Amino acid sequence: AQRVTQPEKLLSVFKGAPVELKCNYSYSGSPELFWYVQYSRQRLQLLLRHISRESIKGFTADLNKGETSFHLKKPFAQEEDSAMYYCALSGPHISGSRLTFGEGTQLTVNP
Amino acid sequence: DTGVSQNPRHKITKRGQNVTFRCDPISEHNRLYWYRQTLGQGPEFLTYFQNEAQLEKSRLLSDRFSAERPKGSFSTLEIQRTEQGDSAMYLCASSLVTTDYGYTFGSGTRLTVV
Repeated sequence: AQRVTQPEKLLSVFKGAPVELKCNYSYSGSPELFWYVQYSRQRLQLLLRHISRESIKGFTADLNKGETSFHLKKPFAQEEDSAMYYCALSGPHISGSRLTFGEGTQLTVNP
Repeated sequence: DTGVSQNPRHKITKRGQNVTFRCDPISEHNRLYWYRQTLGQGPEFLTYFQNEAQLEKSRLLSDRFSAERPKGSFSTLEIQRTEQGDSAMYLCASSLVTTDYGYTFGSGTRLTVV
């Protein structure tokens, strides 16, 4: 069965500092990895997906199959990045493309 | 179409009562998912529909839970004989099967069982 682990429940950095939110996964097939974000009082929304190889709001994430990781990075954190971040996994052999989420990391960017 | 809509936003019920939640997905989306989220946890999959067919149910979905999507449009999630452990945020999401896993989530229904 697939599993997603986010080892840090809380992460606090200062504005302008680099930030890395860790995500590790276990899945026997070829994974599809995602980062979802939930800002205060807003709905869960897709931040980025690894297949797109995109940078959204300055965030990037690289899939490392050797280390089974998909860490989210941003070189210079902003206060508006404060939010709950969830790593999620799906795959071509997972029924309905349903997502398995990690427990989330609450990022706080201090001024 | 303003996205995925869920009603009600909040529901407080007494233990043992039945509750029903509604989800209106994005109109052209043919997949609809229900997730449950408890405090400090990520969303957990409950069930999903493709059009009107319910194709998978999680083991989390006990016999007290039932979901329907009668015409392949809106969906309802009913919980019978609610228990305090049912207290959670119930999230609905929809997607188009031909896209690459692009979910759109609703704001959720927060259930409190007292």
